Amino acid sequence: RKEVEQDPGPFNVPEGATVAFNCTYSNSASQSFFWYRQDCRKEPKLLMSVYSSGNEDGRFTAQLNRASQYISLLIRDSKLSDSATYLCVVTRRDKVIFGPGTSLSVIP
Amino acid sequence: SQTIHQWPATLVQPVGSPLSLECTVEGTSNPNLYWYRQAAGRGLQLLFYSVGIGQISSEVPQNLSASRPQDRQFILSSKKLLLSDSGFYLCAWSRDLGYEQYFGPGTRLTVT
Repeated sequence: RKEVEQDPGPFNVPEGATVAFNCTYSNSASQSFFWYRQDCRKEPKLLMSVYSSGNEDGRFTAQLNRASQYISLLIRDSKLSDSATYLCVVTRRDKVIFGPGTSLSVIP
Repeated sequence: SQTIHQWPATLVQPVGSPLSLECTVEGTSNPNLYWYRQAAGRGLQLLFYSVGIGQISSEVPQNLSASRPQDRQFILSSKKLLLSDSGFYLCAWSRDLGYEQYFGPGTRLTVT
């Protein structure tokens, strides 16, 4: 079993829809959590950190559930420009693990 | 503000040739530095990371090596490239282990 798992998708949603991604991690010692987005043939860019109490940045909401060992990303009012691959990242001590990513296509 | 540079942006090299990719960071001191590879359609694979000058940790044994000759410079090298070395090479920095990482624009390497 991989340490960080994501549904690869693709998720195809219409503009304006709400979409949610989950990411599960297997090591309970994991400490920090992040969401990145990666556009085709570009570098990953930090979207947001994920805090225990949950956090929101505009249309994006991130949640952490330590008991069930997953993090989630909710995107409201999807835009065409949200089309990308979303990577979850889990860190513990000196290890950083990137998930394989979830592909999102927002359709006009 | 901090910026991270990588060059070249693209590279086509024959099998058996040497490789040198360079990454530099500006606007911060003593960053943690990372090299990743992403094969086509695949996830990120951590190759090396460094917490300081001359300190390199290897995550995956292979024909690649890394060096950190200066605080904000990280170099990825190979003496003889293999076809399987093709991919998108990304350098990243972070303030410390466990903190968010920031990526450079990457080098797309094709080994022919």
